[in-house]
Amino acid sequence: SQKIEQNSEALNIQEGKTATLTCNYTNYSPAYLQWYRQDPGRGPVFLLLIRENEKEKRKERLKVTFDTTLKQSLFHITASQPADSATYLCALDEGNTGFQKLVFGTGTRLLVSP
Amino acid sequence: DTGVSQDPRHKITKRGQNVTFRCDPISEHNRLYWYRQTLGQGPEFLTYFQNEAQLEKSRLLSDRFSAERPKGSFSTLEIQRTEQGDSAMYLCASSSKDGRQPQHFGDGTRLSIL
Repeated sequence: SQKIEQNSEALNIQEGKTATLTCNYTNYSPAYLQWYRQDPGRGPVFLLLIRENEKEKRKERLKVTFDTTLKQSLFHITASQPADSATYLCALDEGNTGFQKLVFGTGTRLLVSP
Repeated sequence: DTGVSQDPRHKITKRGQNVTFRCDPISEHNRLYWYRQTLGQGPEFLTYFQNEAQLEKSRLLSDRFSAERPKGSFSTLEIQRTEQGDSAMYLCASSSKDGRQPQHFGDGTRLSIL
């Protein structure tokens, strides 16, 4: 069956450290993968998109990798800050639909302590 | 604010009642999506519009659910004869015609069934 797995346990780190979140998928062949941030009671906010032919993408303190052999994406936040505390969702395009039909993981909650 | 707007933000109703939610997408976006999100889960795709045409509906969308986008701008999602299991956050997203552009989400309508 098709699955997208993110660590359901919250990730607790100290301010200034690098947070690394994992997204694994099975039985999908996505052309690209996206990461979103979601705060309580709010909708997801787009952060980064990485295509299948890109190994790594960066935006300010954020870095995403995409390994289509391992079927895994890693999301890194460097020099983390308490304001980075949120739930981070990975999403991939189910594909073969003619439009962007996103399938989301369950999200990983990140807590950054001062 | 030129983001995706959803109304109402919260809706509390008794079981068996009908409810209708509205979504105003980003004005230049011709693609519109509805998702449902329950606690601890990622958003689940419900339906997709390109302009005024509803091009795909998820199996999650029972006969009690109907969505419209009459003029290719705002959209409504109606749930008839609500059930306890309909309690969730209903999210709307929009994107431009380029299939690789990310989706932009509203802050959702939280539905609670008494």
